Amino acid sequence: DTGVSQDPRHKITKRGQNVTFRCDPISEHNRLYWYRQTLGQGPEFLTYFQNEAQLEKSRLLSDRFSAERPKGSFSTLEIQRTEQGDSAMYLCASSKTGTRKLHTQYFGPGTRLTVL
Amino acid sequence: DAKTTQPPSMDCAEGRAANLPCNHSTISGNEYVYWYRQIHSQGPQYIIHGLKNNETNEMASLIITEDRKSSTLILPHATLRDTAVYYCIALTGGGNKLTFGTGTQLKVEL
Repeated sequence: DTGVSQDPRHKITKRGQNVTFRCDPISEHNRLYWYRQTLGQGPEFLTYFQNEAQLEKSRLLSDRFSAERPKGSFSTLEIQRTEQGDSAMYLCASSKTGTRKLHTQYFGPGTRLTVL
Repeated sequence: DAKTTQPPSMDCAEGRAANLPCNHSTISGNEYVYWYRQIHSQGPQYIIHGLKNNETNEMASLIITEDRKSSTLILPHATLRDTAVYYCIALTGGGNKLTFGTGTQLKVEL
């Protein structure tokens, strides 16, 4: 299997601009997760999908954030009107239900966002 | 999910075993202990998980105490490439969100 891939790996934007990140999960993984990680902290859960349904969203996911997984395969995370506090590493993970490894999540390399 | 407690940092000589402890005194019966690690600027990497029994795979061994209140991740022959932040996480079998703490920064030195 190829691993989870994320694009772009790095994004620099100006405050107020919109940005969109893409995540391609491991093939046949039906669950997809988004996390955010700021410097010196562990990753924090944002949201997850099972197939195309978004089943849970964290309170961290303000109304400027929206995530989609329209065909149950890749997912996008959009941040509107970016703020300097949005600067972080955005991590995607995927898992497959119904396997011996339960819902073990496998992570991508992340997208590092810098808001100037 | 139960809170876990880990030492903030540890050092290990290359070629020696690295033993990383984790306390999870409030863990419930259906919560698994997961270990991930994160090498600088990369995404977290799954290492191993267990419920009650000790587990071993090609990367590490996981020793869980009989009362399940603590566990130890063992890297049998640490190398410089094992330098990373190691996270211990308690998660129910159907759990959906990994709750990462600040982990243990393991530094492997010559």
